[in-house]
Amino acid sequence: ETGVTQTPRHLVMGMTNKKSLKCEQHLGHNAMYWYKQSAKKPLELMFVYNFKEQTENNSVPSRFSPECPNSSHLFLHLHTLQPEDSALYLCASSQERVETQYFGPGTRLLVL
Amino acid sequence: AQKVTQAQTEISVVEKEDVTLDCVYETRDTTYYLFWYKQPPSGELVFLIRRNSFDEQNEISGRYSWNFQKSTSSFNFTITASQVVDSAVYFCALLSGTYKYIFGTGTRLKVLA
Repeated sequence: ETGVTQTPRHLVMGMTNKKSLKCEQHLGHNAMYWYKQSAKKPLELMFVYNFKEQTENNSVPSRFSPECPNSSHLFLHLHTLQPEDSALYLCASSQERVETQYFGPGTRLLVL
Repeated sequence: AQKVTQAQTEISVVEKEDVTLDCVYETRDTTYYLFWYKQPPSGELVFLIRRNSFDEQNEISGRYSWNFQKSTSSFNFTITASQVVDSAVYFCALLSGTYKYIFGTGTRLKVLA
């Protein structure tokens, strides 16, 4: 595997479900990011982790819970989501915060 | 305030035409970085170029070229002899003192055969 991978690529869940999105980077980077991309909206930065420590939380609702067990893996735990949370969730990584971010293919989430 | 404006929401061209995607940015920082990404229908944002604020040299990579002008706060992207495979959404982004990427809203490019 190379670059940034995300699983699953597609996810359909009900509002009462609990699911997790996984991101793995094979680039030796130290920073990882979660973004949300909704239709007709700019990309929204959700969370930033630098050396496994969360350094940014952009007022994201608590129904989204990130986890970064090490510099290569990033999870986004989802519970009791709303239909408006349906979007493409993108993971990215960079060597340092000022370096270029490389993105994964995203998880397309549909909340019913 | 930091902002990236991509005024062109959607552009359609016929194959082999040249097309320029506009990007205008705002920042008060003297050190900053500008990026272009391509997002094909598969969803992944593909990195195309990074330029720092101290390097105003234009760059050419194959059919792609970038024109960075600090005087007008613009970082425009030109595709020469467009191809159907160039069809995608293109994002311009700014990274400066806050260490956050500020993305534009994207320009959807449709290249018709």
